Amino acid sequence: EESLVESGGGSVQPGGSLRLSCAASGFTFNKYAMAWVRQAPGEEGLEWISTISSGGSTIFYADSVKGRFTISRDNGENSMDLQMSSLRDEDTAKYYCVRHRSSWRTAFEYWGQGIQVTVSS
Amino acid sequence: EIVLTQSPGTLSLSPGERATLSCRASQSVTSNYLAWYQQRPGQAPRLLIYGASFRATGIPDRFSGSGSGTDFTLTISRLEPEDFAVFYCQQYTSFPLTFGGGTKVEIK
Repeated sequence: EESLVESGGGSVQPGGSLRLSCAASGFTFNKYAMAWVRQAPGEEGLEWISTISSGGSTIFYADSVKGRFTISRDNGENSMDLQMSSLRDEDTAKYYCVRHRSSWRTAFEYWGQGIQVTVSS
Repeated sequence: EIVLTQSPGTLSLSPGERATLSCRASQSVTSNYLAWYQQRPGQAPRLLIYGASFRATGIPDRFSGSGSGTDFTLTISRLEPEDFAVFYCQQYTSFPLTFGGGTKVEIK
C-alpha cells in the first residue's frame, strides 16, 4: 500500500531555515513526479508550492517560494526533501508530501498526513 | 495563472440529497486537466476525480464529474454521512498549479 510520511517540521523564527523530508513506500518511487502542497492554519485553502519530475531534472515552484525553497529527491532512498530558507510568517502551514498520478502534468493521487511548520518570533 | 472559483461557498443539505458543486476557471483548462478532492476535518485531501470526469481508485460511483473548458461540476448523487466535507477543484494544465477556494458541504 502506498505511503508517504513527512518529517522535519517544527517551529522556527522568521528568516530561519527548515528542511522537510518525505519517505515514500509501497510504490516504484522513480516512476512518479512528486510535489509539496501546503495549507494555512484552520484548514484554509490549498496551495501548491513545488513539483519535481520523476527523474529530478524538471522542477517547478510557486512564485511565493521561488528563490527561498529548494525541492530535491533521492530515487535510491525513495525520498524527497524541501529545503526552506528565509522563512516568513506566511509560510506557517501544514505541508503535505504528494505523489502525482504519473508525470508532473497529472493530478495529485496520494497525500501524506502532513507536517506542521510554524514561523513565529 | 488560472484562477479557479468555486461555488457555492457552503452547501447545506441532508443525507440522501443530491449535491452539485461548481468550479469555474478564469481561462480554458485544456485537455480537461481538472481534478476534485475531498477533505474531511483533520485529514489530508483525497483525490476523487481526475481528467474532469474519471473517478480515482476506490471512489464510489455516487461521485461524478463533468464539464470542459472553463466550467466544471462535481455531483454527489445521494449524500452519505461520510460525504460531508470540504471539496476542492484543481487544475493541472499549466503552472502554477492552482486550487479553487473550496466548497463546504454541511449537514442541514
